[in-house]
Amino acid sequence: GAVVSQHPSWVICKSGTSVKIECRSLDFQATTMFWYRQFPKQSLMLMATSNEGSKATYEQGVEKDKFLINHASLTLSTLTVTSAHPEDSSFYICSANGLGLAGAPSYEQYFGPGTRLTVT
Amino acid sequence: AQTVTQSQPEMSVQEAETVTLSCTYDTSENNYYLFWYKQPPSRQMILVIRQEAYKQQNATENRFSVNFQKAAKSFSLKISDSQLGDTAMYFCAFMNKETSGSRLTFGEGTQLTVNP
Repeated sequence: GAVVSQHPSWVICKSGTSVKIECRSLDFQATTMFWYRQFPKQSLMLMATSNEGSKATYEQGVEKDKFLINHASLTLSTLTVTSAHPEDSSFYICSANGLGLAGAPSYEQYFGPGTRLTVT
Repeated sequence: AQTVTQSQPEMSVQEAETVTLSCTYDTSENNYYLFWYKQPPSRQMILVIRQEAYKQQNATENRFSVNFQKAAKSFSLKISDSQLGDTAMYFCAFMNKETSGSRLTFGEGTQLTVNP
């Protein structure tokens, strides 16, 4: 149980275009999902917290108009990088809170496998 | 705000030996959780071990154990009988139980290499 998937696993896009990354909790309902960004050999940086049915809460310094987050259902959150530029190239990771997973601690986070974004 | 510090960017150990990774944190809260995550070359984040701050007993998971010193705000990870598959980036993480809404604060990470 507690599987989180991300799609795509790797995407290349041209500068100026938009790209959408999906995060799904496959066998449980996730009321809260988190989006992280990770540069090579660095730690995970939290970008935003996404709650089902409400607006995402962005961390300081993260442009909400550039990184659009939608959490329309209890199993799906999406991150759209709008007007992508080469500096947006990074590894994006989502995680889901396991509140809806029977027998799991309510605070437990389950991580997706990540999406590598390359902007040319 | 909470901070998590891992002072060892890189460490190496011989296969079958024991290694300890350090982590310190700063918080004014009393009710929180601490975690160690492993990120192998696949970059999938894997939970290694968790510790609830109100529990005095150190958590253990097979070859992995922690030394939790609440007063010193220290949370080190000991890996016994190191295996090649333990080679990975290790992140220490903090979660405030009361107010963070499951928000994790990560340390900078320690790259562990297990040598044959």
